[in-house]
Amino acid sequence: SQTIHQWPATLVQPVGSPLSLECTVEGTSNPNLYWYRQAAGRGLQLLFYSVGIGQISSEVPQNLSASRPQDRQFILSSKKLLLSDSGFYLCAWSVDRVVRAPLHFGNGTRLTVT
Amino acid sequence: SQQGEEDPQALSIQEGENATMNCSYKTSINNLQWYRQNSGRGLVHLILIRSNEREKHSGRLRVTLDTSKKSSSLLITASRAADTASYFCATGDSGGYQKVTFGTGTKLQVIP
Repeated sequence: SQTIHQWPATLVQPVGSPLSLECTVEGTSNPNLYWYRQAAGRGLQLLFYSVGIGQISSEVPQNLSASRPQDRQFILSSKKLLLSDSGFYLCAWSVDRVVRAPLHFGNGTRLTVT
Repeated sequence: SQQGEEDPQALSIQEGENATMNCSYKTSINNLQWYRQNSGRGLVHLILIRSNEREKHSGRLRVTLDTSKKSSSLLITASRAADTASYFCATGDSGGYQKVTFGTGTKLQVIP
């Protein structure tokens, strides 16, 4: 069966520090991968999605970036965090080449920038 | 940007009652999905309805889709305290690849 791992679960970082959040998927090949951010009590904002290694689409211009160094690994990064980067970050995957495939989410990382 | 807007933003009902949540979206879609999120957790997929379908059932869930009005509704019948969660609609892009955009969510509280 497929599983998705996302870590860390919580993170407190000072403004201006770098960020690296990692997500890995097991049990499937060439998944579509996604990073979403959720502000407190709000909906999900699509940040990045990837349909293959090295193929990253950015939805929101900001100081975040994403990389997919391996087929089932998706990394969210920042060189210098802003206070506005605080939020709940969710990684998700879906089956490749199936347009109506549901998304499967990790348990999220709660990031607080102080 | 958000594709969907859920209505109401919050809903409080007694256990056993039905809960109805609505979702409106802006652009052409391939499919519409509903997800549930328990507080502080990831989202869980509930049900998907294709753009050529009008109604779909799954257990106590009933979803309708009206593409002419760009709207969908999720009905939870005979609600239980365990149904307390936030519910989100999500739309799949009609462009052929899997870009999924979420709405703002409805926070449902079921009072035992």
